[in-house]
Amino acid sequence: DGGITQSPKYLFRKEGQNVTLSCEQNLNHDAMYWYRQDPGQGLRLIYYSQIVNDFQKGDIAEGYSVSREKKESFPLTVTSAQKNPTAFYLCASRKQGYGYTFGSGTRLTVV
Amino acid sequence: GQQLNQSPQSMFIQEGEDVSMNCTSSSIFNTWLWYKQDPGEGPVLLIALYKAGELTSNGRLTAQFGITRKDSFLNISASIPSDVGIYFCAGLNPTGANNLFFGTGTRLTVIP
Repeated sequence: DGGITQSPKYLFRKEGQNVTLSCEQNLNHDAMYWYRQDPGQGLRLIYYSQIVNDFQKGDIAEGYSVSREKKESFPLTVTSAQKNPTAFYLCASRKQGYGYTFGSGTRLTVV
Repeated sequence: GQQLNQSPQSMFIQEGEDVSMNCTSSSIFNTWLWYKQDPGEGPVLLIALYKAGELTSNGRLTAQFGITRKDSFLNISASIPSDVGIYFCAGLNPTGANNLFFGTGTRLTVIP
């Protein structure tokens, strides 16, 4: 079955470390997205990619980086420059003209 | 980015009651979507609406695309405990990649 997979489900990071969150989709969707969700709040866009080797900043890109070397993969790196990284991170993909399909999320905690 | 105004922010209801929530925007959208998010999971699409005035049902869920194209509502009839979660509306424009705007969410609690 086609879908979008995020890993790991839970991730713990020490202060000052970079960590990378994985997002893989086999839906043949062109566009992929990363969102951040804080407790009790909605989704805020971090980065998005419309096509391989191209990506754009969203509303809260500072302290994050992404790459899109393959259509299926859109990893997100949370760098040490992100001062408040503890959050729930959601990856999504989209076929043009349709809604998003979301992954099951990664909960990142700074310890 | 734009966020849609969604209300109410939270609801506490008795099992069996009906629920209604709505979403408004200052912009026109060509598609309205309603998602449900369970704790610790990603949002799952419930209903998609593609034209103004459209009324669509999915089991106990009914949603409508407002005539002005700036609003939508979602009704849940005869609520059950598994309806608990956060419901998000989203407006979609067909052009551009960054074109799905989310509401702030309605947190639903169903009391058995």
